[in-house]
This record gives sequence, structure tokens and C-alpha cells, in this order.
Amino acid sequence: VQLVESGGGLVQPGRSLRLSCTTSGFTFGDYAMTWVRQAPGKGLEWVAFIRSKTYTGTTDYAASVKGRFSVSRDDSKSIAYLQMNSLETEDTAVYYCGRATRLAISGVVYYFDFWGQGTLVTVSS
Amino acid sequence: EIVMTQSPATLSVSPGERATLSCRASQSVSNNLAWYQQKPGQPPRLLIYNAYIRATGVPARFSGSGSGTEFTLTINSLQSEDFAVYYCQQYNNWPPWTFGQGTKVEIK
Repeated sequence: VQLVESGGGLVQPGRSLRLSCTTSGFTFGDYAMTWVRQAPGKGLEWVAFIRSKTYTGTTDYAASVKGRFSVSRDDSKSIAYLQMNSLETEDTAVYYCGRATRLAISGVVYYFDFWGQGTLVTVSS
Repeated sequence: EIVMTQSPATLSVSPGERATLSCRASQSVSNNLAWYQQKPGQPPRLLIYNAYIRATGVPARFSGSGSGTEFTLTINSLQSEDFAVYYCQQYNNWPPWTFGQGTKVEIK
């Protein structure tokens, strides 16, 4: 299993950036995917989630990014994307994509079992 | 939103000793809890899921326990490669998935 993020960089406040997560080693279409970020010297913060198309392909977002960020997937290319609009200085972080494995025992849950190396997004004027 | 609280913030342990890390949830998360290890400049690595199941390739010296609101990660006979930051995460009530603030295990 491999996940490789790309697309990070320095961007001015208010601008946009699109991150990509290119995957291999597993059947991408069978899995949900997630994005988690880590501000410099801080802990982990979940950002966005997209289900597999088998389970509707719908999305969820953290309150801090809802309405500004959008997650999508291209199963034909095994790539997940994070479109980030109206970027703020507080969005500065390393962004990790992760594979989410579904468990359905007493309810449906997802845990994150593989992560990419991350890509740094710096929002600054 | 479920708040995850880890203690202590920093744990100083000598190589070969045991480390015990705690994680508390603000409400029950059943056994839907994961532990991650993160070393500087690296992504998190899944160690434990479902509170006690070791992920593939994780050494047996790592063990998880607990359910409901109280959880423990135990690392027996600490090795040099185990000094890192450890995060707990709940995936019972989502979204959002929430992480603890981390416990840094450092060399004593």
C-alpha cells in the first residue's frame, strides 16, 4: 500500500490550492479516503472524508474547513483530491491523505490504516 | 464532538522499561479507538485499532486495552525506535474523527 501526496506549496491568503493523493497497492475504489492535517509543532486534525462509491461516495468535512474545502476521487486513476479555496493562514499545515477501512459490526465505523508522507501547505502573504 | 484527552503529555522512560500511556474520551466510544505512533518528519503509523488489535507488522511489545472512556497503550521493554509521539483517536462517533493531543515518549 502506497499513498503519495502532491500539490502543496506557498500560497497567499484567499487563494486556492488542489492537493492530490496518488495511491497504489490496493483496490482504490473499494476504500474510503480521508485527509488529516498537522500544523507546525501541533497535533493531528481530521479535515475531510469521502466514502467509496459502493457506499454512496458522499463526503464529510471538519467545521473549520466546511464550505471552503472539497474532497473528490477519481477511481479510474486511484487518486483522491482535496480542493482548498479561500485559504487562511490557519490552514498552514502538513496535509496527509489516508486510507479508511470500513468496519460494520454494531454500526458502521471507519479507521485510518495507511497514510502518505504528507505535503506542506503554507498560507502566507 | 468527542474530546480525547491523553496523559501524560511527556513520559520519560529508560530503554528496556515499560511505558504506560492513557487516553480518556469525553463520552463512550465503545472499543472504536486507535493508537498511532509518529516520529519526527514522518506520518502517523497505525499501531492499534479496536482498542486492542495490533495492526499488521506491529511488534508484540505494543498492547492496547480499555473500552468505553478509558484506554491504555502499553509498550513493554522500550526499544530505541519506540521513542516518538503517540496519539489516540476515536472513530465511534463521526464525523468528526477526533485525536488526543499526543504523548511524547522520550529517553530518560
